Amino acid sequence: DGGITQSPKYLFRKEGQNVTLSCEQNLNHDAMYWYRQDPGQGLRLIYYSQIVNDFQKGDIAEGYSVSREKKESFPLTVTSAQKNPTAFYLCASGEGGSYNEQFFGPGTRLTVL
Amino acid sequence: EDQVTQSPEALRLQEGESSSLNCSYTVSGLRGLFWYRQDPGKGPEFLFTLYSAGEEKEKERLKATLTKKESFLHITAPKPEDSATYLCAVRASGTSYDKVIFGPGTSLSVIP
Repeated sequence: DGGITQSPKYLFRKEGQNVTLSCEQNLNHDAMYWYRQDPGQGLRLIYYSQIVNDFQKGDIAEGYSVSREKKESFPLTVTSAQKNPTAFYLCASGEGGSYNEQFFGPGTRLTVL
Repeated sequence: EDQVTQSPEALRLQEGESSSLNCSYTVSGLRGLFWYRQDPGKGPEFLFTLYSAGEEKEKERLKATLTKKESFLHITAPKPEDSATYLCAVRASGTSYDKVIFGPGTSLSVIP
């Protein structure tokens, strides 16, 4: 059964800690994306990757880092440099290209204590 | 500046009361318009893609339409299970990446 998985579902972070959010897909999609969702706002792009071993900053990349060592995996690290990390994080994948839709995972809710 | 807005912000309907949600966009070079449904605490679920003015797509009680400046999501005889936030997104032409811009969503509540 193809899909996108994210873990953990809930994550709590102390001030000054780095945390890594997992995203895996078995849809054989080339492109993967990380978004942040805050109440009352549209999804905002953090990072995207169109191919293995390559990724690009989105609109709000400061304080975040990613890697794309495998086609199936696109982990996101929220570093201590991210001043307001409490949010709902969504991973998506797609076939890439100019016209294709994106498919989303279930999300990870990160809370800073 | 590329922009996507949605109205109303929230909509409350009685079961069976049909209505429409609006997505207005201002982008340079539309590559596609996408509708998603999002339940609380979950990731968005893909519904439709529209590419050109005049195009329509249907799925059960939902019908999406597209003009040169906006899209409508028509909900016919809604049921309580249609309650969710509906997101509109637009893919605009860019340089190395065709940027996807999301609207803030419309929260729909269908009352039995």
